[in-house]
Amino acid sequence: DTEVTQTPKHLVMGMTNKKSLKCEQHMGHRAMYWYKQKAKKPPELMFVYSYEKLSINESVPSRFSPECPNSSLLNLHLHALQPEDSALYLCASSQVPGTEAFFGQGTRLTVV
Amino acid sequence: RKEVEQDPGPFNVPEGATVAFNCTYSNSASQSFFWYRQDCRKEPKLLMSVYSSGNEDGRFTAQLNRASQYISLLIRDSKLSDSATYLCVVPDLRAGGTSYGKLTFGQGTILTVHP
Repeated sequence: DTEVTQTPKHLVMGMTNKKSLKCEQHMGHRAMYWYKQKAKKPPELMFVYSYEKLSINESVPSRFSPECPNSSLLNLHLHALQPEDSALYLCASSQVPGTEAFFGQGTRLTVV
Repeated sequence: RKEVEQDPGPFNVPEGATVAFNCTYSNSASQSFFWYRQDCRKEPKLLMSVYSSGNEDGRFTAQLNRASQYISLLIRDSKLSDSATYLCVVPDLRAGGTSYGKLTFGQGTILTVHP
């Protein structure tokens, strides 16, 4: 049902690995986001990409780095993660910042 | 005061019941509000947007009280399939009233509808 597509749906990675999460939206939205969600907690914003500018939550460690190849894609590169980074990573998009956001199905990440 | 605060729940109601959740917000300049539902281990899904005094969609009614800074969600004739976590969401605003996109989520209210 969702028009925000995330891959992969599940990922297990070691602490020395480099991996990427991919997100694509087909709605022509001008804003895209990455959120992190731990169990029994609400989603927390990591990055916003809108109008060709990237806004970063300053509490996000540098082992997470976003990349926006074009206006419909927002990738998240992962490097040297820690076990506490294990979570559900959600991509979302909205027509413009501050309006309804539509979420992808998420990538469930486990760091071992 | 937390930016967005919800009833802690959990709410445990029988099928057919009417249940209401409240959500309070701290920024009096906020103009738009959203209710999302999230099923276990799934993504949040937009349930309802509120831009003026309220909104209604079938069994679901959202009401906004700007003076008291709260939004409510009313579910009538509860179904088993309504069991989920309900998230109250308010966009953050910069000085000047524009948004850079951050959504602030409440902690969520768990609803269980039983037969």
